[in-house]
Amino acid sequence: KAGVTQTPRYLIKTRGQQVTLSCSPISGHRSVSWYQQTPGQGLQFLFEYFSETQRNKGNFPGRFSGRQFSNSRSEMNVSTLELGDSALYLCASSPLAGGEQFFGPGTRLTVL
Amino acid sequence: AQKVTQAQTEISVVEKEDVTLDCVYETRDTTYYLFWYKQPPSGELVFLIRRNSFDEQNEISGRYSWNFQKSTSSFNFTITASQVVDSAVYFCALSEPGTGTASKLTFGTGTRLQVTL
Repeated sequence: KAGVTQTPRYLIKTRGQQVTLSCSPISGHRSVSWYQQTPGQGLQFLFEYFSETQRNKGNFPGRFSGRQFSNSRSEMNVSTLELGDSALYLCASSPLAGGEQFFGPGTRLTVL
Repeated sequence: AQKVTQAQTEISVVEKEDVTLDCVYETRDTTYYLFWYKQPPSGELVFLIRRNSFDEQNEISGRYSWNFQKSTSSFNFTITASQVVDSAVYFCALSEPGTGTASKLTFGTGTRLQVTL
């Protein structure tokens, strides 16, 4: 089985721009979660989607949003980028809520 | 609120030494899951183990073993006969299905393990 894939792997943007990151879960997995990893804040939960519905949301401003499609693929969007949004964004999939989460390689976003 | 503490920021050992990574957690829930993940330099988080709060039996998988003690809210991870390939950052995490946040993992700050020859 193919693992979780994330595209793009690397991204450079400037302040004020917006960005969309994509995540394809393991085949058959219906839950997709997103995490932000920074040196200062560590790994923080962004949100989780299950069957196209957002089930949980972390403590992030409204500039961070996401969605899930009927094929379980997920996208997250960050609008009006700030320097502090520079981070590794990790996506994880699970066959069901609360199960083992399997992570993708991440998208490293740099905001200049 | 849930919290995971990994007090060891960085550990350096020589190959073949045993090493234990500590994890202490806080939760008000009686039903919860604990996890360990490995993050090599490539960045991908690799799942190592999931343990639910009702199963205090220790687990061994090859050179890896885990000691779960509810009385001290600890879930420690031991690598026996460490190898250079074990060098990575290790994260302990907690999720609380009882609060409806089954898939929301709360991570510790991680322990960087450096194994040298």
